Amino acid sequence: EAQVTQNPRYLITVTGKKLTVTCSQNMNHEYMSWYRQDPGLGLRQIYYSMNVEVTDKGDVPEGYKVSRKEKRNFPLILESPSPNQTSLYFCASSPDGYGYTFGSGTRLTVV
Amino acid sequence: AQSVTQLDSQVPVFEEAPVELRCNYSSSVSVYLFWYVQYPNQGLQLLLKYLSGSTLVESINGFEAEFNKSQTSFHLRKPSVHISDTAEYFCAVSDISGGYQKVTFGTGTKLQVIP
Repeated sequence: EAQVTQNPRYLITVTGKKLTVTCSQNMNHEYMSWYRQDPGLGLRQIYYSMNVEVTDKGDVPEGYKVSRKEKRNFPLILESPSPNQTSLYFCASSPDGYGYTFGSGTRLTVV
Repeated sequence: AQSVTQLDSQVPVFEEAPVELRCNYSSSVSVYLFWYVQYPNQGLQLLLKYLSGSTLVESINGFEAEFNKSQTSFHLRKPSVHISDTAEYFCAVSDISGGYQKVTFGTGTKLQVIP
């Protein structure tokens, strides 16, 4: 089944403790992207990648890191999480930069 | 810079009634337009997209949207809604330009279908 897989689905962590949210797609898509979804704000892009080793900042990159060492994987790293990063996170992939396939989401709570 | 406005945060509608979810965009160049649907506790799913050609695009579950360049709109319509259409709907826009095709999402409209 063609899909984008994120792990974990739910995560509660403490301020300052480094964490990684994994994302993997099995569709050989070139483009991958991370979004955060907050009530009333819709989806805001954190980082995106056009191919292996090609990444760039989206609209809200502060406090996040990404890497794209393999085509299928695009992990999101929070080196020192803070409570304002409590959110619902989505990874998505696309063959051409249009029409994205989304993962099921990761609900992160930072206390 | 591109932007998307979904003026209605919530739209309640009775089952079998028609519905229109409004979307307006702003961009200095030509655009591609999208509607996504998000069911509770799920990720977004692409509902339909306008890339070129006919300005009226349809989805497999009865929704349609019409690209209106003069009014910079891409409203989503369905002539008769079902309970299963209850979800949040996001309009999105992407500039047609070189390089990365950034997609900007609206803030979403929650469609509540009332039995």
